Amino acid sequence: LAKTTQPISMDSYEGQEVNITCSHNNIATNDYITWYQQFPSQGPRFIIQGYKTKVTNEVASLFIPADRKSSTLSLPRVSLSDTAVYYCPLEKGNTGKLIFGQGTTLQVKP
Amino acid sequence: DAGITQSPRHKVTETGTPVTLRCHQTENHRYMYWYRQDPGHGLRLIHYSYGVKDTDKGEVSDGYSVSRSKTEDFLLTLESATSSQTSVYFCAISKADGQPQHFGDGTRLSIL
Repeated sequence: LAKTTQPISMDSYEGQEVNITCSHNNIATNDYITWYQQFPSQGPRFIIQGYKTKVTNEVASLFIPADRKSSTLSLPRVSLSDTAVYYCPLEKGNTGKLIFGQGTTLQVKP
Repeated sequence: DAGITQSPRHKVTETGTPVTLRCHQTENHRYMYWYRQDPGHGLRLIHYSYGVKDTDKGEVSDGYSVSRSKTEDFLLTLESATSSQTSVYFCAISKADGQPQHFGDGTRLSIL
């Protein structure tokens, strides 16, 4: 099963924009790209989902190039509370199955 | 937060004993999932259900069985627990495939 690859960790400062890239070279035609956030001792929380081009909601933007082999989660003006692990699992089309990689630990500093 | 309750939240047991974890939802969602999370592995799908009595295997299903006799309950059973099954177990629900999954707060299981 195709898994995703992300940087293990990233540091940022409050108020900055953070971009986290995810690689999914073996993405299938009917796979969706999703992003989740996880705090310690909690379950993951859905952030955003997309199939192609750009998707934006109240907390983030998701950029997906035409070949869909990668995606970028953009968090505008991060705060200390955005310190968490971010995952970009692929959702296997028509099954609901999520295939997770190791995630990116984002540390936001004051 | 989505109405998902996992029980127990913590459990310590011995190798060879049977263990059952329960996931209860109040959202009437069709899909339910069981994942395990270990250091360095992210989350891995164990089993999932797409309706009452309809279940299928995930990527790490060996040693686990599931049952779903009611929409609201999804049970994960370790018939004979082994130390390699020490992990944090998360339940998730979704309305349908393609919809976001909502996760419970997890069950921390230690097998000695």
